[in-house]
Amino acid sequence: GDSVTQMEGPVTLSEEAFLTINCTYTATGYPSLFWYVQYPGEGLQLLLKATKADDKGSNKGFEATYRKETTSFHLEKGSVQVSDSAVYFCALSYNTDKLIFGTGTRLQVFP
Amino acid sequence: EAGVAQSPRYKIIEKRQSVAFWCNPISGHATLYWYQQILGQGPKLLIQFQNNGVVDDSQLPKDRFSAERLKGVDSTLKIQPAKLEDSAVYLCASSLLWEATYEQYFGPGTRLTVT
Repeated sequence: GDSVTQMEGPVTLSEEAFLTINCTYTATGYPSLFWYVQYPGEGLQLLLKATKADDKGSNKGFEATYRKETTSFHLEKGSVQVSDSAVYFCALSYNTDKLIFGTGTRLQVFP
Repeated sequence: EAGVAQSPRYKIIEKRQSVAFWCNPISGHATLYWYQQILGQGPKLLIQFQNNGVVDDSQLPKDRFSAERLKGVDSTLKIQPAKLEDSAVYLCASSLLWEATYEQYFGPGTRLTVT
C-alpha cells in the first residue's frame, strides 16, 4: 500500500545552517504531497504542499519539490532559526484527501 | 476565524474503562477526520465524515471504537473498553470540501493515557 518514509531524527543544527529533511514515498497513483509542522505544545499545521510532479511548494523560507522520478519530496531551508525547532511530518493524499503520514522528524536548532 | 476545538486536552483512565472525546470543527467545514497519533509515529486516520455520513472507517477498531457526527457539525469519538495500546494523542481535523486541494486544519489533540 501507499506509505511515506522520513529520515530519523533528531536533526540537530546551529542557527543559520542549511536544512534538509528527506522524504520518500510509495504510491500506487499520483498523490499530492505535503509537509506539516508541529511546534511544541501546538497542533499540526500545513507548511507547504505540491499537487503534481515537478511542482515546488514553498512557505516561510522552506521549499520542497515533487520528484516523481525519485519518488521524493525533501524539505529544505537555506538558513534555519531557533524558532524552526519542531517536528516535521511528510504526508501524501489522493483526491479523497485522507492523509498518510510519515513518522516525523524532530528538528532542534541551537543558537 | 476560530480553529478546530477539542476536549478534553488530557485524559487518564484505567484499562477496560470507557472514554469519549469531543471535536468542534471550523464553521462551515463539511469534512471531519479523527486521527490517532501514537508516540513516535505519524498520525493514522481512524474515521472520516462528509457532513454526517461516514466516508472511510476502514482503520477504526469497531469492536471498541465508535464515532458519530450528529447534524454534520460536532463529533464524538468513544473508546469502550480501553486497552493499554490505545494510549495516544487523538487528533481531530476538518476541511472545507472533500478534495485534496483543500487544507486540513488540525485541533490541539487529546492526549489519552491508559494505565
